[in-house]
Amino acid sequence: EVQLVESGGGLVQPGRSLRLSCAASGFTFDDYAMHWVRQAPGKGLEWVSGISWNSGSIGYADSVKGRFTISRDNAKNSLYLQMNSLRAEDTALYYCAKGRSSSWGIFDYWGQGTLVTVSS
Amino acid sequence: EIVMTQSPATLSVSPGERATLSCRASQSVSSNLAWYQQKPGQAPRLLIYGASTRATGIPARFSGSGSGTEFTLTISSLQSEDFAVYYCQQYNNWLTWTFGQGTKVEIK
Repeated sequence: EVQLVESGGGLVQPGRSLRLSCAASGFTFDDYAMHWVRQAPGKGLEWVSGISWNSGSIGYADSVKGRFTISRDNAKNSLYLQMNSLRAEDTALYYCAKGRSSSWGIFDYWGQGTLVTVSS
Repeated sequence: EIVMTQSPATLSVSPGERATLSCRASQSVSSNLAWYQQKPGQAPRLLIYGASTRATGIPARFSGSGSGTEFTLTISSLQSEDFAVYYCQQYNNWLTWTFGQGTKVEIK
């Protein structure tokens, strides 16, 4: 059974940093692209960042480019999101999602999310 | 950036009735379109990809159609567990994937 468990969320002041983690199990982690998708309270879904199986291809939404860094450790079956210079508009539930093999832009499994609140 | 627009924002349907949800892309996405279901307090779940292929374990009452810029998700006979928010998402543009704003299907 595929499991994705996010951690690292919390309350942080504007301008500070936070690092999210996602622990994966139930599949061969280093065969698949992985993503972060967020959802602001009461709002829709926004793709944040994605990384290919070997970290060779990485992408970011314009809203986080230059502030967020995605990475993965295939030996630890883990995905990360380093978030710097946080803003109030980054407040959201952050989901870790697995890319489907045929196209890594399809998100076929999701974690339950970790909440990030940016406020003074 | 490709903008995805869903309509209506809210759809009121009685159990057992058909629901038809629409999704429009600001430019062609070919058949690179997925649909997700999200229930309150839960993560999204993949329903449809490739515009019309059901994901593993998705009941046959869910069907998708369309290509280019116009897409439809149809739920043939709504069950109580189908009342949720539905999102479309394009994955045609490499590393710039975008979602629609969602359609809430509520009990009439």
